[in-house]
Amino acid sequence: DAGVTQSPTHLIKTRGQQVTLRCSPKSGHDTVSWYQQALGQGPQFIFQYYEEEERQRGNFPDRFSGHQYPNYSSELNVNALLLGDSALYLCASSDLTPGLAGQETQYFGPGTRLLVL
Amino acid sequence: AQTVTQSQPEMSVQEAETVTLSCTYDTSESDYYLFWYKQPPSRQMILVIRQEAYKQQNATENRFSVNFQKAAKSFSLKISDSQLGDAAMYFCAYRTPNFGNEKLTFGTGTRLTIIP
Repeated sequence: DAGVTQSPTHLIKTRGQQVTLRCSPKSGHDTVSWYQQALGQGPQFIFQYYEEEERQRGNFPDRFSGHQYPNYSSELNVNALLLGDSALYLCASSDLTPGLAGQETQYFGPGTRLLVL
Repeated sequence: AQTVTQSQPEMSVQEAETVTLSCTYDTSESDYYLFWYKQPPSRQMILVIRQEAYKQQNATENRFSVNFQKAAKSFSLKISDSQLGDAAMYFCAYRTPNFGNEKLTFGTGTRLTIIP
């Protein structure tokens, strides 16, 4: 059973560029959440996708956007990159079954390390 | 807003000994979930243990157990018989049980070193 996968593993961009990160959820999972983890910090929630819709968003600017496909895979897009966007970007998947709220566990991928120069 | 605090940036323990990592949180909710995640150098966040706030019994998973003190809003992780493979960053996390609000709120982490 494949777990959560992310691509690429590492990425180097320059300020002002745009980047797309990809995530494939664990088999059977329908929900994808994205987190940003700056060096030496805990992960910060960016947003969550369920049924191809953004259903919850953290305190991140509109430069951060996403998409979920019918096969539940997801993309995180960041426009107009800033130096401060350098971080590890983690994707987590879960199985959201209405009526069992809170019982699901989020499983994380290995992350994409983004460096903005 | 909920906050999670881990006041120990670094901890070390002798192999085979026991270590306790601290976590406190702030919330006005009465029902919620608490988690400990482990992040080794490979970067992948791995769930260690979870605790439902409505359960009075402390969760255990093999060598890992928690001390959940709801009134004190404290949630510590005890690792018994520490092994070299336990070396990692450990993050405490909180979430509500509400459908539509499943985001995890993390602390800043504790780096655990195992001394052979």
